Order: sequence, then structure tokens, then C-alpha cells
Amino acid sequence: GEEVAQTPKHLVRGEGQKAKLYCAPIKGHSYVFWYQQVLKNEFKFLISFQNENVFDETGMPKERFSAKCLPNSPCSLEIQATKLEDSAVYFCASSSLLGANVLTFGAGSRLTVL
Amino acid sequence: SQQGEEDPQALSIQEGENATMNCSYKTSINNLQWYRQNSGRGLVHLILIRSNEREKHSGRLRVTLDTSKKSSSLLITASRAADTASYFCATDGGAQKLVFGQGTRLTINP
Repeated sequence: GEEVAQTPKHLVRGEGQKAKLYCAPIKGHSYVFWYQQVLKNEFKFLISFQNENVFDETGMPKERFSAKCLPNSPCSLEIQATKLEDSAVYFCASSSLLGANVLTFGAGSRLTVL
Repeated sequence: SQQGEEDPQALSIQEGENATMNCSYKTSINNLQWYRQNSGRGLVHLILIRSNEREKHSGRLRVTLDTSKKSSSLLITASRAADTASYFCATDGGAQKLVFGQGTRLTINP
């Protein structure tokens, strides 16, 4: 499709529960990025993929966060044992070209941890 | 401070006026981009300016880039109510990922 589709739009979890978010990039885009936006402030880079391969995971809190982009499946971002500070909007973006790229963003998934 | 800091943090102007937002960054870049975020939505790409360019126009948007000062500005002319949004600059810094600043919240009053 011509848009980045993210699901769910809103997810509520109790502290300690697992949260899983999904992203379908634009067809033909080889690069996928996940960003976290807290309180409408800056976008924190989490991880990027080139097809199903992790390209850059320097922003990932590795102890609880994991992500995958498998062939013929939506990409996913999973948070084990959520904490209050994980409450944020998680945005997925895709691009056809790394480097001087223009990212197309999805509408985001709002995670609320209670 | 973060790469890609916007100034001011918030700006409120009357419809029809021009809006100017500034962005400063720290490291060398290949290009700088501006994005808009409407409330509850994702970022929408507005314009990209390469490091060897000094000015670029797109419709009512004008972007300048001063690599010696590591700064950029976004000018929106003849603002409209629909321009109300947050605006973010983003730099690549050669790190193969975009780094965003904290954004400028622009409010256009009718």
C-alpha cells in the first residue's frame, strides 16, 4: 500500500505486562524505522531494519525491547514487562533509500502503561 | 543538547502572517529535512535541503541552510489555520538515521 499502517492505534497495559505493536511499511520500501515520542516531544530513534535484517539498534533498550521484520509479515516491536516510562507514541516509518532518505511515517501506536 | 534543536518551542501568530522557525544542529550533515506533525498524527515530510544548498522553496515554504553556523530556518508565508501543527527539523549526520529535535508548536489564530 501507499501508507505505513500501524496497529493498534491505542494499547493499554498494566505495568509488567507485554505489549506488541505492528507496522506494515509501504510496499517496495526496504527500510523500516521505529521511533518513540514521549509527551509530544522529540522523536527518539529505536531501531532500523533493511528488509528483515537489523541495520541499527543503538536506540533500543535491549533488556525489554525487541523488534522483528520477517518476510511477508508486518514488522513488530515488542516490549516485555512494560514500565510506566514506556508510555509513549511509537511511530514506524519506511523508506526506499537509506542515507538522504525521506521517511514516510505511520499514524503511530499510543501505548499507555498503567 | 540534542542534534536538531528548534527555536522557538512555541509560536502563535495571526492568519496571514509569516511564521519563522529555526533549527540548530551540532554535527556535519549530508542533508536537513523539515517535517510537520498534526495533532495525533505521524510526521509528514515537507522539504529536504542538501548540505551544498543554501535556500530552497516549495510553495509557501522557504528553507535556508547555513552550514557554517549549523543552522536552518523554515519560513511559512501567508499562514493559514491549517498550518497549525508542530514542525520538526531532522538531520542525518551521516549516521544513516534521522535525528529529530523537539519541534516548534505553531498556532495560527483566525
